[in-house]
Amino acid sequence: KAGVTQTPRYLIKTRGQQVTLSCSPISGHRSVSWYQQTPGQGLQFLFEYFSETQRNKGNFPGRFSGRQFSNSRSEMNVSTLELGDSALYLCASSIGQGHQPQHFGDGTRLSIL
Amino acid sequence: DQQVKQNSPSLSVQEGRISILNCDYTNSMFDYFLWYKKYPAEGPTFLISISSIKDKNEDGRFTVFLNKSAKHLSLHIVPSQPGDSAVYFCAASYAHSGGGADGLTFGKGTHLIIQP
Repeated sequence: KAGVTQTPRYLIKTRGQQVTLSCSPISGHRSVSWYQQTPGQGLQFLFEYFSETQRNKGNFPGRFSGRQFSNSRSEMNVSTLELGDSALYLCASSIGQGHQPQHFGDGTRLSIL
Repeated sequence: DQQVKQNSPSLSVQEGRISILNCDYTNSMFDYFLWYKKYPAEGPTFLISISSIKDKNEDGRFTVFLNKSAKHLSLHIVPSQPGDSAVYFCAASYAHSGGGADGLTFGKGTHLIIQP
């Protein structure tokens, strides 16, 4: 069974640019969540999408946004990039109903120059 | 305000012995707890979970214990194997009244090193 797939694996951008990251969930999973991992803050929840609707949101500025398509694939967008946005961005999918574990992809490493 | 805490940044255990990783939480609304293992350059891998209605859950070599009154959970690995060397994250969530669960709140992780 294919796992969660994130593309690209690595990305280098400069300040002020914008970036879009992609996530394909495990087949049959309808919930997709995004997390940011940094050495200082650890793993932090960005937002969760279920059936193309944002269901939950973490404490991040509006520059961070996302969407989900009808096939459950999700994209995350960060506009006006700042140096502090350099991080590993992880996507996780789950069935989406009740307490079910989230399964993570290997992430996209974003570096801001 | 760290709602999920893993107070040991690292832990060294001999191969074949028991590894015990600890986690404390402060938010009494959390009702679902998970443990993940992470190797460098890979995403976290789900290991085991426990609902707040239980106090123990086992899966092979892994057992998670939950003490709700102490707001404490632990992961036991018996016996420890070299491949268990990784960073272990404790995570927690709670169900929204509107359906679904909130995002996972993670601890900062414990680096487990299994000595041969």
